[in-house]
Amino acid sequence: QQPVQSPQAVILREGEDAVINCSSSKALYSVHWYRQKHGEAPVFLMILLKGGEQKGHEKISASFNEKKQQSSLYLTASQLSYSGTYFCGTAPIIQGAQKLVFGQGTRLTINP
Amino acid sequence: DAGITQSPRHKVTETGTPVTLRCHQTENHRYMYWYRQDPGHGLRLIHYSYGVKDTDKGEVSDGYSVSRSKTEDFLLTLESATSSQTSVYFCAIRSGLLGNSYNEQFFGPGTRLTVL
Repeated sequence: QQPVQSPQAVILREGEDAVINCSSSKALYSVHWYRQKHGEAPVFLMILLKGGEQKGHEKISASFNEKKQQSSLYLTASQLSYSGTYFCGTAPIIQGAQKLVFGQGTRLTINP
Repeated sequence: DAGITQSPRHKVTETGTPVTLRCHQTENHRYMYWYRQDPGHGLRLIHYSYGVKDTDKGEVSDGYSVSRSKTEDFLLTLESATSSQTSVYFCAIRSGLLGNSYNEQFFGPGTRLTVL
């Protein structure tokens, strides 16, 4: 079942902070975050694993609440380059193929 | 960019015609995926492959077939294209560069398919 992202869209001024949430109805093993700019492919940002491990982008942080089956992506002191649509992808168990189910996306607009 | 290319990048075709999209990777990754992206739906998995001649269905596999005869190529075929298959199609590979547990995926540039 598709995870739910919130908000669906957000508009910020450069330098402001944003939080994007991803919520699943299923128990999760991992959460992946991607950013996609218009007309381009999704780009991997970071991955969070059950148990607290995470790896990815140096300037973007995220959290993973296993009990609530939720993840949040934190964009602090946003830059113009942060604009785009953010997707979370979730995987319920550790499995070879690691099939991901993606949320519907959150569109982030950063204005000067 | 993980060495992934897709061809064609754009295609317009008519209802009922067969269409094959190609995904090519240069880094010998075992796992490959085909997704479609439509407004309001995010990315949805069509089929995936876990090795040569080893494939399985995703959540939206009806009307699509795949083949993988070589590690580097993963083909997606629409046997008889319909207007509902108008979409942007992305191929992805599972990198594994961060370690075996991480399974991050990297995407190709996409193919925009229009079925009239």
